[in-house]
Amino acid sequence: EADIYQTPRYLVIGTGKKITLECSQTMGHDKMYWYQQDPGMELHLIHYSYGVNSTEKGDLSSESTVSRIRTEHFPLTLESARPSHTSQYLCASRGLGSGNTIYFGEGSWLTVV
Amino acid sequence: AQSVTQLGSHVSVSEGALVLLRCNYSSSVPPYLFWYVQYPNQGLQLLLKYTTGATLVKGINGFEAEFKKSETSFHLTKPSAHMSDAAEYFCAVSLNSGNTPLVFGKGTRLSVIA
Repeated sequence: EADIYQTPRYLVIGTGKKITLECSQTMGHDKMYWYQQDPGMELHLIHYSYGVNSTEKGDLSSESTVSRIRTEHFPLTLESARPSHTSQYLCASRGLGSGNTIYFGEGSWLTVV
Repeated sequence: AQSVTQLGSHVSVSEGALVLLRCNYSSSVPPYLFWYVQYPNQGLQLLLKYTTGATLVKGINGFEAEFKKSETSFHLTKPSAHMSDAAEYFCAVSLNSGNTPLVFGKGTRLSVIA
């Protein structure tokens, strides 16, 4: 059973607002990821981290930023939300002892109006 | 760089029929291969994975997949479809170092007809 949590699950915000999507895992995994997924579409990697103080941009260009100050926490922030940011954001983690399995959170659905 | 191709964005089968979802990968080194399932409004759940060893991998819910290096394929099968199998299925690949992020295919939506 995966212990990775995302909040909020659903959020509707206005254009120009700042939003932080939270992601926490209690498995002690060193690697964490953010994927963006439009409804019925493929997943695109937007950010990842190999450990504390490590962050990398993924394959899909994103205006969001991430931080990794603690092992268990990998928040994603949009400084000024736009309607084009409307999507589902999936957080995932992977670590030693997980058999190279990547575990996913339930996802955060963001709608920008 | 790795890549994944899933043939067929939508597959429809009758209840009790064989399920076959196709996945081909491209990788410069031996890959790790995964199948995930996604139900509506949920995250992804691991069905099965291949890392090393036996090429026929059994997963949850009666699914299995076979790694065929010569065909660069990792097709997902289930002998008898159930209504509860209706979902989106994603094939994914990463380098066998375990350090690279997963690269996903575009997904295949499985519909099961009663």
